[in-house]
Amino acid sequence: AQSVTQLGSHVSVSEGALVLLRCNYSSSVPPYLFWYVQYPNQGLQLLLKYTTGATLVKGINGFEAEFKKSETSFHLTKPSAHMSDAAEYFCAVSEATGGFKTIFGAGTRLFVKA
Amino acid sequence: EAQVTQNPRYLITVTGKKLTVTCSQNMNHEYMSWYRQDPGLGLRQIYYSMNVEVTDKGDVPEGYKVSRKEKRNFPLILESPSPNQTSLYFCASSSPRNYEQYFGPGTRLTVT
Repeated sequence: AQSVTQLGSHVSVSEGALVLLRCNYSSSVPPYLFWYVQYPNQGLQLLLKYTTGATLVKGINGFEAEFKKSETSFHLTKPSAHMSDAAEYFCAVSEATGGFKTIFGAGTRLFVKA
Repeated sequence: EAQVTQNPRYLITVTGKKLTVTCSQNMNHEYMSWYRQDPGLGLRQIYYSMNVEVTDKGDVPEGYKVSRKEKRNFPLILESPSPNQTSLYFCASSSPRNYEQYFGPGTRLTVT
């Protein structure tokens, strides 16, 4: 069975500081991993994804994430936070062997202080 | 423009009154899915469909029905809504080649 754990329901950083949002997953089959962002009163938008190949993936708005199989982690980072990054971020896992069952984490709300 | 549309965007109804939330996508995606979003719980998958006439339960299917008679449409049906179905609902579509999901704008449902 799949599961996703996002450590920290709220994360606060100063503008210009490193952003680190943590995600650990469990999956009995090779996973596809995703980070989505949700701005207030909007739907979700894909930030980046890992399916196969390179374990360091780059996404939009300067975000990147690294798939670490040994640690079952897919942490999201950005070197320098911007005020516009304030949003809720969701990690998700889908099974890569067929089916479309997708599990989302509970979300992490990112606050950026001026 | 590639998009997923949902209607209505807001709905207030009473317990037991059947309702349907429509979802349509224009990207010719095989996969479609319904989620509900509740504070502190993230998104939970209700039902998903891998193609026309192929649907399967997600994690929280109780009290919901779906159908997939056409590739572009995937309506969510609540035959007898209850207050615990008050939530924000999202429809999403995806290609099986990359599983990248495109989300609709959401439907905020209140059941009194």
